[in-house]
Amino acid sequence: DAGVTQSPTHLIKTRGQQVTLRCSPKSGHDTVSWYQQALGQGPQFIFQYYEEEERQRGNFPDRFSGHQFPNYSSELNVNALLLGDSALYLCASSYFDRGDQPQHFGDGTRLSIL
Amino acid sequence: GENVEQHPSTLSVQEGDSAVIKCTYSDSASNYFPWYKQELGKGPQLIIDIRSNVGEKKDQRIAVTLNKTAKHFSLHITETQPEDSAVYFCAASIGVRGSTLGRLYFGRGTQLTVWP
Repeated sequence: DAGVTQSPTHLIKTRGQQVTLRCSPKSGHDTVSWYQQALGQGPQFIFQYYEEEERQRGNFPDRFSGHQFPNYSSELNVNALLLGDSALYLCASSYFDRGDQPQHFGDGTRLSIL
Repeated sequence: GENVEQHPSTLSVQEGDSAVIKCTYSDSASNYFPWYKQELGKGPQLIIDIRSNVGEKKDQRIAVTLNKTAKHFSLHITETQPEDSAVYFCAASIGVRGSTLGRLYFGRGTQLTVWP
């Protein structure tokens, strides 16, 4: 049973560039959430996707956008990268209609902005 | 929004001792409280969770307690082992049966070190 997979594992970009991160949910899961984890901090919620629509959004600017595909996989896009965007980006998956079931996390993408 | 506070930020114990990590939350609507363990270079791994209709839950050496009135919950690890060394996060959320689990609000984490 494949867990949550994310790609790439590491990425280096420069300020002003754009980046796309990818996530495949755990088998059977239909909901994907994205989190940003700065060094030494707890994960911060970015947004959640279900049925290819953004369902919830945290306090992140419009530079952060996402997409969910019919196979439930998801992408996180960040435009106009800033130094402060350097972080570990985590994807978590779950069942939409099972609000009592936990979210399962991938190992993340480490994004470094130079 | 919800605010989750976690203490202590670092915890060092001798192998075989117990470790306790405490969290408080602010939103009385929160009803789901997971604990995650994060090892270096890995994503958070769920180790135990508790819902607001339960006061305590155990799974081998790990237990979690919840006090809804005081809005605090704690993780207890007994007979600690060096492989328990990691960063532990508490979180709170609102989960609705028949709907999605809401966003997780995380504490800032506790670095647990177990010395052999």
